[in-house]
Amino acid sequence: GAVVSQHPSWVICKSGTSVKIECRSLDFQATTMFWYRQFPKQSLMLMATSNEGSKATYEQGVEKDKFLINHASLTLSTLTVTSAHPEDSSFYICSPGKDSLKETQYFGPGTRLLVL
Amino acid sequence: QKEVEQDPGPLSVPEGAIVSLNCTYSNSAFQYFMWYRQYSRKGPELLMYTYSSGNKEDGRFTAQVDKSSKYISLFIRDSQPSDSATYLCAMSVYGNKLVFGAGTILRVKS
Repeated sequence: GAVVSQHPSWVICKSGTSVKIECRSLDFQATTMFWYRQFPKQSLMLMATSNEGSKATYEQGVEKDKFLINHASLTLSTLTVTSAHPEDSSFYICSPGKDSLKETQYFGPGTRLLVL
Repeated sequence: QKEVEQDPGPLSVPEGAIVSLNCTYSNSAFQYFMWYRQYSRKGPELLMYTYSSGNKEDGRFTAQVDKSSKYISLFIRDSQPSDSATYLCAMSVYGNKLVFGAGTILRVKS
C-alpha cells in the first residue's frame, strides 16, 4: 500500500487561529488528494478533492473559504483550517490518489485538531 | 436512510472466535467494496478490496459481497486481541467518491 505521512499528528489551538496540516505521499505521485474529516464515533466524511495544480472541489456543506486546500506538488497537499472554532475539532485524514480513481484508497495517519 | 448502514457495536468476542461484520447499502450502482481497519487515533488501513459480487480470502480475513441483497460481510477467523479496532466498510461507483459505513467497534478478549 501507499506510504502517507501527515504533520502534525495532533494540534491544540485557540479559537480564531489558523492551523495548517500537511499531507505527504511518500512513495508515489498523487495527482489527486482527498481530505476527510472524522468526528468521534462517526465515519469518515469526504470534505474536498484536490488535483495537483488546480483548485479543490468541495463537498456540499464544506466551506471552501474556511478549509483552504493547496496541492502544489504531486507529493504534498496542505489543508488550512482558517479561524478555527471548537466545532472544527475533529480528526482530519488525507488520502492520496492517482488520477481520479477512488475505488482503492490509502489513508494518512490523521491529524487530531482540538480547538479551545 | 443512509446509503451505507453498519452496526456500530461494540462487538465483544473471545479470542479465537469467528467474527462476522456486516454492512448493507441502498445504492445498487456500487461496484467496489472495501473493508478498512482503524485503530484508535490512527488513519484507516485497507484490509480487503472486492469488485462486484463474490468472495475474497486473505489469510484470516474473508470478504463477501452479495449484490442481489445489497449486503457485504467481513469474516475474521481465529480472532486475536490485536484485531480489536474499528472496522469500516466503504463502497463506491467507479470514479466516484467512497461512501463509508459508520464503523463497527470490535473487541477481542484474551
